[in-house]
Amino acid sequence: EDQVTQSPEALRLQEGESSSLNCSYTVSGLRGLFWYRQDPGKGPEFLFTLYSAGEEKEKERLKATLTKKESFLHITAPKPEDSATYLCAANSNSGYALNFGKGTSLLVTP
Amino acid sequence: DTAVSQTPKYLVTQMGNDKSIKCEQNLGHDTMYWYKQDSKKFLKIMFSYNNKELIINETVPNRFSPKSPDKAHLNLHINSLELGDSAVYFCASSQEDGTGLYQETQYFGPGTRLLVL
Repeated sequence: EDQVTQSPEALRLQEGESSSLNCSYTVSGLRGLFWYRQDPGKGPEFLFTLYSAGEEKEKERLKATLTKKESFLHITAPKPEDSATYLCAANSNSGYALNFGKGTSLLVTP
Repeated sequence: DTAVSQTPKYLVTQMGNDKSIKCEQNLGHDTMYWYKQDSKKFLKIMFSYNNKELIINETVPNRFSPKSPDKAHLNLHINSLELGDSAVYFCASSQEDGTGLYQETQYFGPGTRLLVL
C-alpha cells in the first residue's frame, strides 16, 4: 500500500535558523512527488513537483530534493511569513490520487 | 482570476439534511477531484473525475455522490448528513500528461468548511 510519512510533525525555528523537513514515501512506481504549503483556513498552495531521484527545485528560501525513498524541503534563513503547514504528497502508477502525508507545522519566530 | 473556486465557503446544517458543494475550475484541466480534510488536517481523496467520467471512488459512503455536468465543474452532493461528515472539503484539478507516466500538479480550491450539528 502506498504510504507517505512526514517528520517532524511540528517545528519551531528562530528567524534565520535554517532547517529541513522530511518526507518518506513508499509507492509503487512514483509518478510525482509534490510539496504544498497550507495556511490556516486556506487550500493547499502548490510549491514544487519532483519526478526523479536527484532532482532539485528552488524557490526563494525553499529548496526541494528527491531521492528514491524520501524528499526534503530545505528552508534557508526562514522568515516569520514562512510559518505554515507544509504538505508532501506522492502519486503512484496505481491511480490519479495524491497520497498525502500528515504535514509538518512550521512556526518561525522573530 | 480564481483558478479553482468552491461554493459555499462555509456550510452549517442539521443532521439528516441534504446539501451540495459546487466546484469550478477555469484552468482547462480535464481531471477534477474531491478531497476531505479531517480535524487532524489529514487530506484524503474521495473522488476523481476525468473528462466527466468517475475514475476513483474511494471507500466513501454512498451518501456522497459526485456530479460533473461538464469538464469545468465537479459538484459534491451529500445526502442524510451525519455528525462525522463535519470536515473541510477541497476540490482540485489537474491536466493529464497524455502518456500516463507522470501525474501533473493538482491545484486546490479554497475549501468548504462543513459543520453538521
